[in-house]
Amino acid sequence: ELKVEQNPLFLSMQEGKNYTIYCNYSTTSDRLYWYRQDPGKSLESLFVLLSNGAVKQEGRLMASLDTKARLSTLHITAAVHDLSATYFCAAVTGTASKLTFGTGTRLQVTL
Amino acid sequence: NAGVTQTPKFRILKIGQSMTLQCTQDMNHNYMYWYRQDPGMGLKLIYYSVGAGITDKGEVPNGYNVSRSTTEDFPLRLELAAPSQTSVYFCASSLSGETWYFGPGTRLTVT
Repeated sequence: ELKVEQNPLFLSMQEGKNYTIYCNYSTTSDRLYWYRQDPGKSLESLFVLLSNGAVKQEGRLMASLDTKARLSTLHITAAVHDLSATYFCAAVTGTASKLTFGTGTRLQVTL
Repeated sequence: NAGVTQTPKFRILKIGQSMTLQCTQDMNHNYMYWYRQDPGMGLKLIYYSVGAGITDKGEVPNGYNVSRSTTEDFPLRLELAAPSQTSVYFCASSLSGETWYFGPGTRLTVT
């Protein structure tokens, strides 16, 4: 059974600082996803990582995937308040491509 | 395209009542999923479907039923609602398991 763990669960950081969110998954997975969720809203797709060594960047966010270590990271560069949200990673398993989610990292960027 | 739509947006049920959460997608996707999200947690898979007439259980199916008579619709039925089913319910669809589209969610309270 695929399990996905994220850490930290909560992250408070100052504007302008850098930080990394970690996502570990327990068994082989075809793809790794990152989503953003604002309070009371649905999920917004950020990145899909398809292969070992994949790196994707959008603005101040950069995601990477190491399939051998079963680890993905979401790096935040020079955080701004607008990045405050909950970030989820999710891995895919099975023939029906079921998404298994981590518990999320609640990011709070303070001035 | 409207994407994935869910109704209702909010609902309050009394213990023991039943209801159906509606989910419709207009993208001709084969795969459809129901997730629940408890406060401060990640999403957990309730049921999924890989096509009309085919459904299967996810991680937390107890207390729920689904049907998939058409490609577009994937209703989730709650029988004998319990307080433990208080949650936000998200429906999602995917063409082939690479990109997911999430609905806006239904916030359900059982009292």
